[in-house]
Amino acid sequence: QSVLTQPPSVSGAPGQRVTISCTGRSSNIGAGHDVNWYQQLPRTAPKLLIFGNNNRPSGVPDRFSGSKSGTSASLTITGLQAEDEADYYCQSYDSGLSAWVFGGGSKVTVL
Amino acid sequence: EVQLLESGGGFVQPGGSLRLSCAAAGFTFSSSAMTWVRQTPGRGLEWVSSISGGGVGTYYADSVKGRFTISRDNSENTLYLQLNSLRGEDTAVYYCAMWPAEGNWFGPWGQGTLVTVSS
Repeated sequence: QSVLTQPPSVSGAPGQRVTISCTGRSSNIGAGHDVNWYQQLPRTAPKLLIFGNNNRPSGVPDRFSGSKSGTSASLTITGLQAEDEADYYCQSYDSGLSAWVFGGGSKVTVL
Repeated sequence: EVQLLESGGGFVQPGGSLRLSCAAAGFTFSSSAMTWVRQTPGRGLEWVSSISGGGVGTYYADSVKGRFTISRDNSENTLYLQLNSLRGEDTAVYYCAMWPAEGNWFGPWGQGTLVTVSS
């Protein structure tokens, strides 16, 4: 069971907006630790998608955005495209565990 | 361009050992902290271990503490993970990744190497 909780799956039609939630607790997200997001396309390694809650690395399309509030964070894809079909993971640091922690991952399906 | 290439994975019996390597190129390796993350179908992504650029600071997940050892050879631009006393639950794809000094995120990542622990 993952320390950060994500919905197992999310789906949407092309062009729609989808949001993936990431719920933590007072020792990780709620403690002020940044939340990061990774995209894992089929049969590839994870790739950094969002860092520091809401920052995109160079090359990541601006339809991907992140936010954080309290003990939760969200990844939003605005204008869903077929190539966005992938697994998405949130990640933060947990002070209580002294460990970097991940969510269980959310599979995005483009209908 | 940053390149990370893992090797050393394979099939090993419970209680056995393996040493994973991660060859780095395209950046100043000695200035970059590095990390190992593993992935299993059942447990998703799991942070395993991290090491500072100079190699003095090392960090381990409780699940591997005392069994795995992270190290690096900055003269060879190579990161290592020594896996001892392996268990079935250590079966996973092991990725190495950069750990930027400015934050708690990981990236870029290598392509991974598969470790299978089974009798």
